[in-house]
Amino acid sequence: DAGITQSPRHKVTETGTPVTLRCHQTENHRYMYWYRQDPGHGLRLIHYSYGVKDTDKGEVSDGYSVSRSKTEDFLLTLESATSSQTSVYFCAISESTRYRAMDYGYTFGSGTRLTVV
Amino acid sequence: AQSVTQPDIHITVSEGASLELRCNYSYGATPYLFWYVQSPGQGLQLLLKYFSGDTLVQGIKGFEAEFKRSQSSFNLRKPSVHWSDAAEYFCAFINFGNEKLTFGTGTRLTIIP
Repeated sequence: DAGITQSPRHKVTETGTPVTLRCHQTENHRYMYWYRQDPGHGLRLIHYSYGVKDTDKGEVSDGYSVSRSKTEDFLLTLESATSSQTSVYFCAISESTRYRAMDYGYTFGSGTRLTVV
Repeated sequence: AQSVTQPDIHITVSEGASLELRCNYSYGATPYLFWYVQSPGQGLQLLLKYFSGDTLVQGIKGFEAEFKRSQSSFNLRKPSVHWSDAAEYFCAFINFGNEKLTFGTGTRLTIIP
């Protein structure tokens, strides 16, 4: 999607290794999110950020950490990858719901497929 | 707990037939509600959203959804499906104040000739 890119697109890693996924935006949006998508679960929120250095946990945050040192980048780190973290990871960006603009909504990246072996 | 539920995991529809995908929400006030579509191997694309006002919302690709407070539903409809509509569809709502989008588990749509 325009304005948001994820890297890498695919990664295979070994159990116990640290992994960092990157989300980069050019929209200057305040909010950034990391979701994971698994069959039968839809998308579940891992962590989100509401500003530089301001982050909070989502519903499935165990085993993950995030950092946001500048507006455009939001990093997701798997401290010690496990097979249960094999998934497709999506980053998303948004502005505040207070704007309630006609074009309001989340914009999603194309995803990162992570396999932990 | 605040949530959205999509009761149908998989739906199969003939090309040209009408479609209705169900979404029920559980929320204390009127939420912002969304429908997203995900084609195989792709990211998510916003189809439509409901904030307030007119309860019948028009979206892209010929889709519409109707907000029914009495039934706590926000069902997605299309009068005539095309083979390209085969995808997974997600209903979602946003929680005012914390800006977090919560998804249903999705409905996979298969189109048969």
